[in-house]
Amino acid sequence: DIQMTQSPSSLSVSLGDNVTFTCEASENIYGFLAWYQQKLGKAPKLLIYGATNLEDGVPTRFSGSGSWTNYSLTISSLEPEDIATYYCQNNHVYPLTFGSGTKLEIK
Amino acid sequence: EVQLVESGGGLVQPGRSLKLSCAASGFTFSDYNMAWVRQAPKKGLEWVATIIYDGSRTYYRDSVKGRFTISRDNAKSTLYLQMDSLRSEDTATYYCATHDVGFGDWFAYWGQGTLVTVSS
Repeated sequence: DIQMTQSPSSLSVSLGDNVTFTCEASENIYGFLAWYQQKLGKAPKLLIYGATNLEDGVPTRFSGSGSWTNYSLTISSLEPEDIATYYCQNNHVYPLTFGSGTKLEIK
Repeated sequence: EVQLVESGGGLVQPGRSLKLSCAASGFTFSDYNMAWVRQAPKKGLEWVATIIYDGSRTYYRDSVKGRFTISRDNAKSTLYLQMDSLRSEDTATYYCATHDVGFGDWFAYWGQGTLVTVSS
């Protein structure tokens, strides 16, 4: 199975910050990487697929990058509604696997 | 508007069975591969199973193979998860989700989830 390692596990941030967190796959996933946002008590929401493609309706302050085994999600100028946990997901091969998440907290 | 509404969760004893349902609306259900994804309390997301749009193929994570069965009724726009021989480690919120319409294996739409608690 492909292991997805996210870092950091939590991040203390201020509104207006630019935030980047990373996701490393245990083998090459050829850009088949998605990012999800999950707010407390809610279902996850798709943000980015194919490593860099923004899902319709997602604010442009979100962006994704990466290739091979290393990927990142950047939020430019953090808004209050961005406080959530973020998960990456391998969708290159089955079993489909998620990272353990990065939780954003306000300083 | 896409809607996925799960039902059937609850408290069940270890070794017993439970069947979850997911009623879909707002899109052409038969065009989408569908999945169940679960989340144990205060834990991360875990893919459970996927069924192809026409029901011809299914995929499962190893820990549920032989115990869980994913199925669908395209005429009723409903997805199911039959869970047998339940274990305490199956305790989780179970989400119904659509794969991407172009058959990409990411999850475009999610239901609100139904909680399954396996305990004596």
